[in-house]
Amino acid sequence: NAGVMQNPRHLVRRRGQEARLRCSPMKGHSHVYWYRQLPEEGLKFMVYLQKENIIDESGMPKERFSAEFPKEGPSILRIQQVVRGDSAAYFCASSPVTGVETQYFGPGTRLLVL
Amino acid sequence: KQEVTQIPAALSVPEGENLVLNCSFTDSAIYNLQWFRQDPGKGLTSLLLIQSSQREQTSGRLNASLDKSSGRSTLYIAASQPGDSATYLCAYNAGNMLTFGGGTRLMVKP
Repeated sequence: NAGVMQNPRHLVRRRGQEARLRCSPMKGHSHVYWYRQLPEEGLKFMVYLQKENIIDESGMPKERFSAEFPKEGPSILRIQQVVRGDSAAYFCASSPVTGVETQYFGPGTRLLVL
Repeated sequence: KQEVTQIPAALSVPEGENLVLNCSFTDSAIYNLQWFRQDPGKGLTSLLLIQSSQREQTSGRLNASLDKSSGRSTLYIAASQPGDSATYLCAYNAGNMLTFGGGTRLMVKP
C-alpha cells in the first residue's frame, strides 16, 4: 500500500519560469492538502482540495499560485513566474475524511529558484 | 491569530534519558492534535494522533497527552535513543487544515 507520492523530489527553476508539483494521494484517499515550509520556518497550510473541487484556499498566495485535483490523475500545485522567495519545501498530505482523520504526508518537493 | 508554540526549541540529551516535549495552542475548538517527526531533508512521519475527546495515546516508547481546556499537549519519550534524533512537530486540526508549531529539534547523544 503505497504512501503519498510526490514528484519531483527536487526541482530547480530560474526566476520567471513555471513550477509544477505533483501529488498522488494514498489509495482510497480523496482529500488532499498542500503545505509549504519556508527555510527556517514552520509548515503553513496552503490549500485543501477534494476531487475536482477546491475546498479551502485561504493559505494560498493571491497571485501566481494555483492548485487542482482532477477527476483522474494527481493533484497539481502550479507556481507561475517563480521568484527566489518561492524556494521552499512543498508537502502534500492526504486523508480519507477531513477533520478527524490522520493526515498522511508525502516526502515533499524541494523547490530551488535561482 | 491561532498559534502553536513548542518548547523547548532545541534539546540535547544523553542516550537513555526520559524527556518531555511541550506544545501549547490557543484554539480550544480542535478536532484532534497530532505529533510528527521530521528528519533533515525528509517528509513528516505521523507518531500519534489524539482526538479531542481523548486524554492520551501511547505507541511504544512514546506517550502523548492532551489537555484541551488548558491548550496543552506533551510528548513523552522514554529511554531515548540516538535514532530518536529529529525535529518533533505538533499540529492541531480545527477544520480543513493542520496548524503547526515551530518544532523541537532533538539530539540524543550516544
